[in-house]
Amino acid sequence: GQNIDQPTEMTATEGAIVQINCTYQTSGFNGLFWYQQHAGEAPTFLSYNVLDGLEEKGRFSSFLSRSKGYSYLLLKELQMKDSASYLCAVRDRSTNAGKSTFGDGTTLTVKP
Amino acid sequence: DGGITQSPKYLFRKEGQNVTLSCEQNLNHDAMYWYRQDPGQGLRLIYYSQIVNDFQKGDIAEGYSVSREKKESFPLTVTSAQKNPTAFYLCASSPPQGLGGYTFGSGTRLTVV
Repeated sequence: GQNIDQPTEMTATEGAIVQINCTYQTSGFNGLFWYQQHAGEAPTFLSYNVLDGLEEKGRFSSFLSRSKGYSYLLLKELQMKDSASYLCAVRDRSTNAGKSTFGDGTTLTVKP
Repeated sequence: DGGITQSPKYLFRKEGQNVTLSCEQNLNHDAMYWYRQDPGQGLRLIYYSQIVNDFQKGDIAEGYSVSREKKESFPLTVTSAQKNPTAFYLCASSPPQGLGGYTFGSGTRLTVV
């Protein structure tokens, strides 16, 4: 099975940089995903890491260390619209179904 | 545009009643999933399907049933055996492994009255 931990809440200032950490323990790893979920809405896919290292996508970057069971999502030049919950998810390697286990999410509040 | 359509957006269920949540996708994805989200929590897997006419139980399948008669459709039935069904239900599909994350529908918010 999978066990995923991420902080419950974080607060940051508009224009700043914030790092949201995620640690996981897994019996079979086949990729780590980050999703953004605004209140009352469905999650949307942000990024995906399967190999160690940093993946950059505009203002968002995600890092993975498989040996440490650790990932982070880095958000730069924070905007008010970045206030949302950020979900870390690990994909299972035990089947070909691609099913993922989700953490409970980190609620980010961006203040002016 | 390709995507996933869930209906209805809001659903009210009486005690002892079965209800069915619809999920349709036109992304040509083989794999589809149903997750449940309770307030302040992450997503928990109910059922998933890799291919037509095949599906597997997730972590919290008790009180739910699904079918996968067509590639595009993966409806979820919440039965009267599910004792605490009030939640936000999300349907998702995914491309072949290595090609990206889930695409989610807009969700169905189910409330027991």
